[in-house]
Amino acid sequence: AQKVTQAQTEISVVEKEDVTLDCVYETRDTTYYLFWYKQPPSGELVFLIRRNSFDEQNEISGRYSWNFQKSTSSFNFTITASQVVDSAVYFCALTTLGGGADGLTFGKGTHLIIQP
Amino acid sequence: DAGITQSPRHKVTETGTPVTLRCHQTENHRYMYWYRQDPGHGLRLIHYSYGVKDTDKGEVSDGYSVSRSKTEDFLLTLESATSSQTSVYFCAISESPDRGNSPLHFGNGTRLTVT
Repeated sequence: AQKVTQAQTEISVVEKEDVTLDCVYETRDTTYYLFWYKQPPSGELVFLIRRNSFDEQNEISGRYSWNFQKSTSSFNFTITASQVVDSAVYFCALTTLGGGADGLTFGKGTHLIIQP
Repeated sequence: DAGITQSPRHKVTETGTPVTLRCHQTENHRYMYWYRQDPGHGLRLIHYSYGVKDTDKGEVSDGYSVSRSKTEDFLLTLESATSSQTSVYFCAISESPDRGNSPLHFGNGTRLTVT
């Protein structure tokens, strides 16, 4: 069985602050893939990033960065200099090689509120 | 954006009535999924399909059935709707999830209210 835990139900910060969203996963497989999705207030789900278990290199995309650490089974997401448009629910998800056909396992999401 | 259309976008129905939600894709992807999203539960898989007429159950399949007669369409049916099925339903598609590295692309969701 696999599991994704997003312990932070809701985070509220003031605009321009940096914020980190935590994601901890559990799986017995050695090959797996991790994802982050964004769900803005409009409701659609937007794919942000995919990372495989063999690539622990951190990734940066503009103000977004992801820190993957197998030693702690974590795949954390940091937004630098947050903006109001970053307000959304963010989901972390996991799938395994061969198990991907039956979809992703999602965490319960973190509601991020960026106050102006 | 992935070509995924869900219909209807909103529906209110009464307990005990049958309801069918439709997902239509223009990407010719083999895999299609139905998820439901509820507060405090995140997204949970209802059913998925890995080809025409090939479907399987997900985590929360009780009370739901699906059909896929064409690559582009995946239907979700609530045979007799209950209030516990009030939720937002998302359809998703994927190109090659059996390799584990394909993300899911989601439709815009259907908000279903069962009164």
